[in-house]
Amino acid sequence: AQSVTQLGSHVSVSEGALVLLRCNYSSSVPPYLFWYVQYPNQGLQLLLKYTTGATLVKGINGFEAEFKKSETSFHLTKPSAHMSDAAEYFCASLQAAGNKLTFGGGTRVLVKP
Amino acid sequence: SQTIHQWPATLVQPVGSPLSLECTVEGTSNPNLYWYRQAAGRGLQLLFYSVGIGQISSEVPQNLSASRPQDRQFILSSKKLLLSDSGFYLCAFDSGTGVPEAFFGQGTRLTVV
Repeated sequence: AQSVTQLGSHVSVSEGALVLLRCNYSSSVPPYLFWYVQYPNQGLQLLLKYTTGATLVKGINGFEAEFKKSETSFHLTKPSAHMSDAAEYFCASLQAAGNKLTFGGGTRVLVKP
Repeated sequence: SQTIHQWPATLVQPVGSPLSLECTVEGTSNPNLYWYRQAAGRGLQLLFYSVGIGQISSEVPQNLSASRPQDRQFILSSKKLLLSDSGFYLCAFDSGTGVPEAFFGQGTRLTVV
């Protein structure tokens, strides 16, 4: 069974600093990969996704993620944190041959002024 | 365009009362449908998913049930709520074909008192 691991349930960054959220998947076949953001008491919004092709994926709000097959990783980055980036972030995978999303445990980001 | 509607947004119910949360999808046919629960500090837990009318898979044993009476309608129910059923419930769908992407409802905050 596939699984998704997000290292660190909480991350604190200073405004203007680099944001790095880690995600690793376990799957024998590279899956589709996603990053979602959730603001308090709201649903999840897609930030970006990797399906095929270019391994560096750019998303909304200045975020990007790189798919590294050799490391089974899909880490999310943003060069400069903004106060509005404070939220919870979820990494997810979906097997091409399957039909069930698998989520990581989530990482809550706190941005300090 | 594809949209998802989930209601109600908030709900306060006494222990032992029934529950019905509804989710409908527009703009796609035969979607895969999901119910997730977020308990405080515990990430996203997949409760049920459905690949078609009347086809429901339960991921965890619990006090809840799900039904799919129509192609784009997904209902989460309970006959008697427990305190432990409190949480934030999210409905989601993906098209099941083509490039996968999951869309989420805005969530229901359920408080059992």
